[in-house]
Amino acid sequence: QVQLQESGPGLVKPSETLSLTCTVSGGSIRGYYWSWIRQPPGKGLEWIGYISSSGSTNSNPSLKSRVIMSVDTSKNQFSLKLTSVTAADTAVYYCATDRRPGYFNWFDPWGQGTLVTVSS
Amino acid sequence: EVVMTQSPATLSGSPGERATLSCRASQSVSSNLAWYQQKPGQAPRLLIYGASTRATGIPARFSGSGSGTEFTLTISSLQSEDFAVYYCQQYNNWPPITFGQGTRLEIK
Repeated sequence: QVQLQESGPGLVKPSETLSLTCTVSGGSIRGYYWSWIRQPPGKGLEWIGYISSSGSTNSNPSLKSRVIMSVDTSKNQFSLKLTSVTAADTAVYYCATDRRPGYFNWFDPWGQGTLVTVSS
Repeated sequence: EVVMTQSPATLSGSPGERATLSCRASQSVSSNLAWYQQKPGQAPRLLIYGASTRATGIPARFSGSGSGTEFTLTISSLQSEDFAVYYCQQYNNWPPITFGQGTRLEIK
């Protein structure tokens, strides 16, 4: 059973870069699409983007200029960097995947989420 | 971008009652729609995909219907554990993948 776990700093200063890593356990990272999704406190869900195990990416146009994603298949991890953050980037950040190899449709499973607060 | 609009924003119900949640897409998404349940402090859980197929382990009281631009999630007989926030998500036209704003199902 694949499990995902986000990790990274819980506090980031305005204008700096938010960096998160998602570790995949219980299965291989190869052959799948891995997404980042965020949820501001008390609000809805926003898809940030995905990276495939081969390194191809696709991002939400609203965030594309600030999103950098990478994958490390040797560590079964993938990462998100969001540059030039503001208070509007404060959110719970989830990593998630479509458990079917080669598909990117819905999200199951999800990580537990990690709260990132942007504040000086 | 496909805008997903859920209604109502809040729905009140009692255990044993039937609940009907709606999701409308700004353009056709065919049957490429998923539903999620989210409880406080937890990640969303996939309930339905393909507009009407229950995900693994989801009780039969949850059912989805619709295609094109109009979709419905029905809970046939509310249980205490069903009171949560529900989101729809389209995966027909992307990027971006888009979610509805959510319907909060609360105990009456």
